[in-house]
Amino acid sequence: DIQMTQSPSSLSASVGDRVTITCRASQSISNFLNWYQQKPGQAPNLLIYAASSLQNGVPSRFSGSASGTDFTLTISGLQPEDFATYYCQQTYSTPFTFGPGTKVDIK
Amino acid sequence: QVQLVQSGAEVKKPGASVKVSCKASGYTFTSYDINWVRQATGQGLEWMGWMNPNSGNTVYAQKFQGRVSMTKSTSISTAYMELSSLRSEDTAVYYCARSIAVAGNWYFDLWGRGTLVTVSS
Repeated sequence: DIQMTQSPSSLSASVGDRVTITCRASQSISNFLNWYQQKPGQAPNLLIYAASSLQNGVPSRFSGSASGTDFTLTISGLQPEDFATYYCQQTYSTPFTFGPGTKVDIK
Repeated sequence: QVQLVQSGAEVKKPGASVKVSCKASGYTFTSYDINWVRQATGQGLEWMGWMNPNSGNTVYAQKFQGRVSMTKSTSISTAYMELSSLRSEDTAVYYCARSIAVAGNWYFDLWGRGTLVTVSS
């Protein structure tokens, strides 16, 4: 199985900050990497697919990039509604595995 | 309205089975695969498997092989996930999620609200 790691596991940030979350795959997954946001008591919500494509309706302050087996989710100008947990997911091969998540909370 | 509506919470005893439903509306049910993902309280997301609602073909995570069954009723646009031989570690919220493939990359663009399954004696 492909293992996904995320760093940091949590971070504290202020409204307006630029936030970067990193996800690393245990082997090459091409660009088959997605990012989801999950708020407490809610289902995950797709933000980014194929490493860097913004899902319809997702604000442009969210962006994704890739370099080899390292992937980055960037939030440019954190908003109050962005405080949540973020998960990466690989869909290169089954089982589709998720990273352990990064919790973003208010500083 | 495009949505996936899941069945209500369940409480089961160890060793029992549970069957969760996921009703699709607002789109053609047979055009997209349905995945099942679970999440224990305070924990991360775990993919269990997928089903093609058109063919009925399934792919299960090895961890659940032999205990999980994903089926469908096309006439009512509903997918089902049945998990047997339940143990306390199966206590979790179970989500169904629609997946789309673009250039070979799958992503989950529509999720149900989740069904809490509690396994307790």
